[in-house]
Amino acid sequence: GAGVSQSPSNKVTEKGKDVELRCDPISGHTALYWYRQSLGQGLEFLIYFQGNSAPDKSGLPSDRFSAERTGGSVSTLTIQRTQQEDSAVYLCASSGGGAQETQYFGPGTRLLVL
Amino acid sequence: QKEVEQNSGPLSVPEGAIASLNCTYSDRGSQSFFWYRQYSGKSPELIMFIYSNGDKEDGRFTAQLNKASQYVSLLIRDSQPSDSATYLCAAQRGNNRLAFGKGNQVVVIP
Repeated sequence: GAGVSQSPSNKVTEKGKDVELRCDPISGHTALYWYRQSLGQGLEFLIYFQGNSAPDKSGLPSDRFSAERTGGSVSTLTIQRTQQEDSAVYLCASSGGGAQETQYFGPGTRLLVL
Repeated sequence: QKEVEQNSGPLSVPEGAIASLNCTYSDRGSQSFFWYRQYSGKSPELIMFIYSNGDKEDGRFTAQLNKASQYVSLLIRDSQPSDSATYLCAAQRGNNRLAFGKGNQVVVIP
C-alpha cells in the first residue's frame, strides 16, 4: 500500500507567520510520530500519538508548536509565530503501534523561515 | 551525554570493502535498535533492526548488539557506490519514540 505522505514538500514563510504541516500515515498504523531534522543534526523527537491515548508532547521545543491527530489518522503540526531557528525538515513517521515496531518515514516537509 | 552517539566524520571505503559503523547509547532501558539509511535530501529508510545480543545478518548487512557495553554496530560487506549515504543509529525509548544519533556519512569510492 501507499507509504507515509506529507504536505507540503517545501514551505517558505516569513518570520512571525503561522504554518501547518500535514501527515497522512500508512493505512492501519495506529502510532504517528513527528521528528525534526536541522542541518547537520540528527533527528529530534517532537510528539507521538498512539490510538486514542493522550499524545506524548515531551519533545515539543516551545508552546508555539502544537499538533493534533483527527480520527486516529491524519495529523497536523502547527508552528505559530515562526522563527528562523524553526527552519528544518519536519519528518512524520508511522508504525503499527506495538513495542519494537518499525517506524516508516514520510518524505518530509522542508521549512524555511525567512 | 547524548542518548545515542555515533562517530563523527565521513567514512571512505573502496568499492568491495567492508564498512564498519559504530554507535553507543546511554539508556540501559533501551531494548530495540534500528539502523536507517538516509540519502542526501531524502527521508530515512530502514536498513535493519536488532533486539537481541549478538549478530543479525541480512544480505550484505550485519548488525551487532552488545547490551552490556551499550554498543551497536553495522557492517556493510562488499560495499557498493549505492551504499554511499548517511547511516543513522536509533535506540527505542519508552513510548516507542526513537532517539537518533547524528549519523555517519559513508562514501564508497569506485
